[in-house]
Amino acid sequence: GENVEQHPSTLSVQEGDSAVIKCTYSDSASNYFPWYKQELGKGPQLIIDIRSNVGEKKDQRIAVTLNKTAKHFSLHITETQPEDSAVYFCAAFLSNAGNMLTFGGGTRLMVKP
Amino acid sequence: NAGVTQTPKFQVLKTGQSMTLQCAQDMNHEYMSWYRQDPGMGLRLIHYSVGAGITDQGEVPNGYNVSRSTTEDFPLRLLSAAPSQTSVYFCASSSRHEKLFFGSGTQLSVL
Repeated sequence: GENVEQHPSTLSVQEGDSAVIKCTYSDSASNYFPWYKQELGKGPQLIIDIRSNVGEKKDQRIAVTLNKTAKHFSLHITETQPEDSAVYFCAAFLSNAGNMLTFGGGTRLMVKP
Repeated sequence: NAGVTQTPKFQVLKTGQSMTLQCAQDMNHEYMSWYRQDPGMGLRLIHYSVGAGITDQGEVPNGYNVSRSTTEDFPLRLLSAAPSQTSVYFCASSSRHEKLFFGSGTQLSVL
């Protein structure tokens, strides 16, 4: 099956700085890579996703990049704000496995005002 | 539009007790799934369903049962609770395998 590793497990940045979270996956057949944000006491929410036929995708202050050759993808948050503080999860989807998403271990992002 | 509703929000059980975690969605999604969230381990898939009457095991199915008698509901049953099942449980639904909508979670403690 698929295995997803996520780094770092915690990340602290100053407000206005950029934050980068990286994930690697094991199965080259995975073709969909979403990122979820989980605020305290809530369920994860999808914030951005990318498919294997695209190298980069942006949505305002967040962007995701995918390197299929190296089997890694990253989340970039620019101009961070205190409300970006949360736990972020990456995931990978293997379409031929009859399975659902495989998640990384999560990154706790703290944005200091 | 309520989305995915989970009950209860909190539960404390004694070892050996059984209980059912409820999950309902009002988005007419075909796919529903249960995950458990443990510190440093992300979200691990317990069971999932691709439609009414169809269920399958995920990564960590032992000690849990599910059924899907309707499109809306996907309850998770703990047969004989163990301390290792102390976790936060999330139900999710989607119209496809990929874009999941999560409930707000159930925090379960087994003493």
